[in-house]
Amino acid sequence: QKEVEQNSGPLSVPEGAIASLNCTYSDRGSQSFFWYRQYSGKSPELIMFIYSNGDKEDGRFTAQLNKASQYVSLLIRDSQPSDSATYLCAVNWASNTGKLIFGQGTTLQVKP
Amino acid sequence: EAGVTQFPSHSVIEKGQTVTLRCDPISGHDNLYWYRRVMGKEIKFLLHFVKESKQDESGMPNNRFLAERTGGTYSTLKVQPAELEDSGVYFCASSPMGNEQFFGPGTRLTVL
Repeated sequence: QKEVEQNSGPLSVPEGAIASLNCTYSDRGSQSFFWYRQYSGKSPELIMFIYSNGDKEDGRFTAQLNKASQYVSLLIRDSQPSDSATYLCAVNWASNTGKLIFGQGTTLQVKP
Repeated sequence: EAGVTQFPSHSVIEKGQTVTLRCDPISGHDNLYWYRRVMGKEIKFLLHFVKESKQDESGMPNNRFLAERTGGTYSTLKVQPAELEDSGVYFCASSPMGNEQFFGPGTRLTVL
């Protein structure tokens, strides 16, 4: 059973702090990794993707991938109250289908 | 550029009835996916179209679910007859190359 695990939270951080969201996955053959943000009642919005080991930065967001440890994380610098949402980790282990396996999501609360 | 659209946004039906959900992908996206989130669970893959062909339907729960994508444009997902456990939010996503997927707003289905 291929799985993606996330701590459901809530993770609470003060405004301006760094929020660290973590995700582990069970299948070593996984090839691509995605972070989606979902506001309550809205659609998941793609914010980052990463394919290779290491860090990938985009504005205030940094995705980190460690395939040896089967671990992917998302760092949000200078957290804002508008970042409060559920963050979904998704993994694709078969690049020919694009089928995503999702974690349950981590709820982030950024307090002013 | 218009995003992925889904219709209806909400549907409430009685057990045993039929419901058809529609998804219009982003123009030019050959890859179209259906996912479902039932309450308290993670988003789960249902199936994947490449143009009008079913590439992967491994997530379809049973033969009460029928998905079509005639002409390779919009897609429909029909549930017949609906059961209580079919309640949830049905998401459609599209992708140009089968990697990054862009989600629609979802259809919330309630089966009474």
